[in-house]
Amino acid sequence: SQQGEEDPQALSIQEGENATMNCSYKTSINNLQWYRQNSGRGLVHLILIRSNEREKHSGRLRVTLDTSKKSSSLLITASRAADTASYFCATDQGGIKAAGNKLTFGGGTRVLVKP
Amino acid sequence: DTGVSQNPRHKITKRGQNVTFRCDPISEHNRLYWYRQTLGQGPEFLTYFQNEAQLEKSRLLSDRFSAERPKGSFSTLEIQRTEQGDSAMYLCASTPRNMNTEAFFGQGTRLTVV
Repeated sequence: SQQGEEDPQALSIQEGENATMNCSYKTSINNLQWYRQNSGRGLVHLILIRSNEREKHSGRLRVTLDTSKKSSSLLITASRAADTASYFCATDQGGIKAAGNKLTFGGGTRVLVKP
Repeated sequence: DTGVSQNPRHKITKRGQNVTFRCDPISEHNRLYWYRQTLGQGPEFLTYFQNEAQLEKSRLLSDRFSAERPKGSFSTLEIQRTEQGDSAMYLCASTPRNMNTEAFFGQGTRLTVV
């Protein structure tokens, strides 16, 4: 079953605008990760934020994590047409011997960046 | 190393047939995972190997599904007596044995059962 919800489910913006998407989850986590998926392709890792971190940046990406609210947000600044994709948050609960780095994904946000 | 490789990329099969998919992880990664993704949804965990040992299986992995990783390198996922509900993208990922590590995904195998 899905760990949590992503909001919004779909987002349409103009090139140059910022895109913000949110993720909520249900259990305690070791880290939270964001992935991008182009249509019909595999997932590409974007950024990992550990449970003791509150904010992380990578290029045009900014991720926040609020463990008290069990939520995270991904901000893409100055969007480009090439950012059109589905974006998924995934949680790694860690700590359990057999779990490895098993990920539990949200339902995703489909982002369309119009040129 | 060219990353995680999955074969075939696409598979169309008739209901009731058996299918087998292969995943070659990044060579130095000892952890390997299978996920299933249906249209419009996020991936769902199926099973996990550490080296050759299958350490966890999801309830999604019915008796018709079996996965192996015989020498701790490549892995196969077999579905017996396929059903239309098995149509999905099957994704393989690998990680090193570290805490707080990203997963490296293959391009997936898209299965269509007709």
